[in-house]
Amino acid sequence: QKEVEQNSGPLSVPEGAIASLNCTYSDRGSQSFFWYRQYSGKSPELIMSIYSNGDKEDGRFTAQLNKASQYVSLLIRDSQPSDSATYLCAGLPKGFNKFYFGSGTKLNVKP
Amino acid sequence: DAGVIQSPRHEVTEMGQEVTLRCKPISGHDYLFWYRQTMMRGLELLIYFNNNVPIDDSGMPEDRFSAKMPNASFSTLKIQPSEPRDSAVYFCASRLRQGPYEQYFGPGTRLTVT
Repeated sequence: QKEVEQNSGPLSVPEGAIASLNCTYSDRGSQSFFWYRQYSGKSPELIMSIYSNGDKEDGRFTAQLNKASQYVSLLIRDSQPSDSATYLCAGLPKGFNKFYFGSGTKLNVKP
Repeated sequence: DAGVIQSPRHEVTEMGQEVTLRCKPISGHDYLFWYRQTMMRGLELLIYFNNNVPIDDSGMPEDRFSAKMPNASFSTLKIQPSEPRDSAVYFCASRLRQGPYEQYFGPGTRLTVT
């Protein structure tokens, strides 16, 4: 099984706080991970990809990968109400071409 | 650059009718993926193509569903006959053959079968 697990939420944070979204995966062969943001009624939009252990930062977003513990996280600093959306985590096992998506975590940022 | 293009954006049809969804991938992308999303089942991969060839159709729910990719810039997903349980949002996504392996999604087609 190549499952990707996410807490469905909702995760509620106040405006300006750090939102922490987590994802665990079962396949140790997974090498690449992707975070998508999906607003209600819209399509998934790629936020970040991460391929190596450690942190990767892009603006207010930081993706973290820990292959030993098999988890991926996304931190959103200075959360804004416009960040309210569902965040999907996806894993790509080595040698595969299809993603394994989690069920998504709904984030609510309260003004 | 144009992203993934899908048509129609909304489709309402009656049970038993044939439905055809269309997708134009990003130019130069070698892989094309068809997904279905519902509240109950989340995002499901139906089928994907590499260089116009279907590689994995294990997610296609049953024989009523078929997909084709006659050329690098066009793909269709057909449902015949359609049933109310096919109501969902259908997304098309594409990516390059080589890394990064990021997939880019189209706007989706919202299908309602009555």
